[in-house]
Amino acid sequence: DTAVSQTPKYLVTQMGNDKSIKCEQNLGHDTMYWYKQDSKKFLKIMFSYNNKELIINETVPNRFSPKSPDKAHLNLHINSLELGDSAVYFCASRGGTSNTQYFGPGTRLTVL
Amino acid sequence: QKEVEQDPGPLSVPEGAIVSLNCTYSNSAFQYFMWYRQYSRKGPELLMYTYSSGNKEDGRFTAQVDKSSKYISLFIRDSQPSDSATYLCAMSQISNSGYALNFGKGTSLLVTP
Repeated sequence: DTAVSQTPKYLVTQMGNDKSIKCEQNLGHDTMYWYKQDSKKFLKIMFSYNNKELIINETVPNRFSPKSPDKAHLNLHINSLELGDSAVYFCASRGGTSNTQYFGPGTRLTVL
Repeated sequence: QKEVEQDPGPLSVPEGAIVSLNCTYSNSAFQYFMWYRQYSRKGPELLMYTYSSGNKEDGRFTAQVDKSSKYISLFIRDSQPSDSATYLCAMSQISNSGYALNFGKGTSLLVTP
């Protein structure tokens, strides 16, 4: 079974559209994250939720809104997509006091 | 200056060579240090995890942390073509930061048969 899964794997859309990416983890972890990997492969934290509560909110345009319906799921909704939003978005989860984070396979977003 | 610096390479070595990958950092509050391996079009996969200073060995991989120099290393012995990937160092502070990982830019490694 996949520990951290994301859907969709690929997302191609037009500028101005609204889209969502979903993430689910079956590890029983309390904390989940969204990271963005740009075209230069640099991974940067966007958001983190601990047990459905937002605990990290980096300097990200407010067009990006995370939502956690329960501690196993963390979704990312993006409004009014822009060309610069094209990137790979990774979900990750962490459990207990360890800082080992497990990443999903990524969602490759292309905005045309 | 970025908090975590990593030479992007690419680094090309022959099969069987010892590979040394390094990162430096500026934030002395970092306590947790990790190495991830990322194959093309895949998610980062955790390789090694170290808390504070010291060495850790797992099979062909050895991770070293020198907090006094703010320098971490990953050594790969007897490198294999299957080790060809991008290696990302990552580090974080204690829990009040939410344990968010600060990544280096990754080093691209190619092991040639």
